[in-house]
Amino acid sequence: QVQLVQSGAEVKKPGASVKVSCKTSGYTFTGYYIHWVRQAPGQGLEWMGWINPNNDATKYVQKFQGRVTITRDTSVSTAYMELSSLRPDDTAVYYCAKTGRWAVYDSWGQGTLVTVSS
Amino acid sequence: DIQMTQSPSTLSASVGDRVTITCRASQSITNFLAWYQQKPGKAPKVLIYRASSLESGVPSRFSGSGSGTEFTLTISSLQPEDFATYYCHPYKSYPYSFGQGTKLEIK
Repeated sequence: QVQLVQSGAEVKKPGASVKVSCKTSGYTFTGYYIHWVRQAPGQGLEWMGWINPNNDATKYVQKFQGRVTITRDTSVSTAYMELSSLRPDDTAVYYCAKTGRWAVYDSWGQGTLVTVSS
Repeated sequence: DIQMTQSPSTLSASVGDRVTITCRASQSITNFLAWYQQKPGKAPKVLIYRASSLESGVPSRFSGSGSGTEFTLTISSLQPEDFATYYCHPYKSYPYSFGQGTKLEIK
């Protein structure tokens, strides 16, 4: 079955960077986009960007342009999201999600809590 | 950018009730709208795609309708497991966004 397994919780200081991994299995990794969505505590969902694992193309929301980098390693079917220059308001659960046949998110990772605090 | 206005933000209802959640888009998204259900501490789960298509495995008491700028999610007869937060999600153009969410609470 399709699985997306994310790396564990992180605590970072302001100004640092964090890199979250999303290891996939159960499907052809290069066949479907991986998106990243975050959710601040008690808040709604916020889309960050995607990667096409087939050709490494990426797209980011302008809000994070320059601070977020999404990459992939096809040899281990894993996508990564790195966020730099962290601020306290970057504290959130970060999710990876796979798009399906109809371009909606049909499978999600379990989420990774990133806490930014001095 | 497409802005979504979702209402209500909170909805109190009882088991067996019929409930409707609405999302309004700032511009036409034709039928590129999905609905997600999220339970506390869990990732969202897709219920509806293309405004009215039921995702495989989702109970038939969930239905979606609408096109253009007005969309609704209806739960025909609430079950205990349906108490959760629901989000609409337009996916016609970038940047993607989500509605603000509707928390469905037990009355």
